Amino acid sequence: GQQLNQSPQSMFIQEGEDVSMNCTSSSIFNTWLWYKQDPGEGPVLLIALYKAGELTSNGRLTAQFGITRKDSFLNISASIPSDVGIYFCAGLPSGSARQLTFGSGTQLTVLP
Amino acid sequence: NAGVTQTPKFRILKIGQSMTLQCTQDMNHNYMYWYRQDPGMGLKLIYYSVGAGITDKGEVPNGYNVSRSTTEDFPLRLELAAPSQTSVYFCASSYSSGAGQYFGPGTRLTVT
Repeated sequence: GQQLNQSPQSMFIQEGEDVSMNCTSSSIFNTWLWYKQDPGEGPVLLIALYKAGELTSNGRLTAQFGITRKDSFLNISASIPSDVGIYFCAGLPSGSARQLTFGSGTQLTVLP
Repeated sequence: NAGVTQTPKFRILKIGQSMTLQCTQDMNHNYMYWYRQDPGMGLKLIYYSVGAGITDKGEVPNGYNVSRSTTEDFPLRLELAAPSQTSVYFCASSYSSGAGQYFGPGTRLTVT
């Protein structure tokens, strides 16, 4: 199946710092989604992207759908302690795919 | 608006026992999904459904069965529980294949 490479696997940052993570694929995707998962909870949808080049914000979060349609980026500005969690990217491959492909996640730790 | 609800939240099974994980959504979504998440890992698709009466296998369907008799409900059945099925199970739904999926809170299953 399709593979998504999500990096970094984990990050330790100071409160107030900006964060950037990304997902890449060797194949073209039609949709990119970013989720956050808190411990013991289900993933929560943060941002959805549907068009190449699209840049969408949700509060301090900004995500972009790469021009090549093979990558996406998530940025978090001015991190706060509640940003701690696992961030997953997910994409819908082009073609007749009905299933999302998920990245392996980025574990974010925010140090006070 | 409850979104996606799952029951039970926790369950311990003995090897060879069977059980059904329940999932209900009240968003009138056509698409529903079952994932499993092993510790420190991403999400793997077990089964999905594009509408009532239609189901299809995902990446890891062995040992599981599903049915979709109504738009709202998508139960997951384990017939002969095995230790390899110890995991956290998430149900999700979406309006379409490319739309963002909304996840339930998960069921933590331990098979001993």
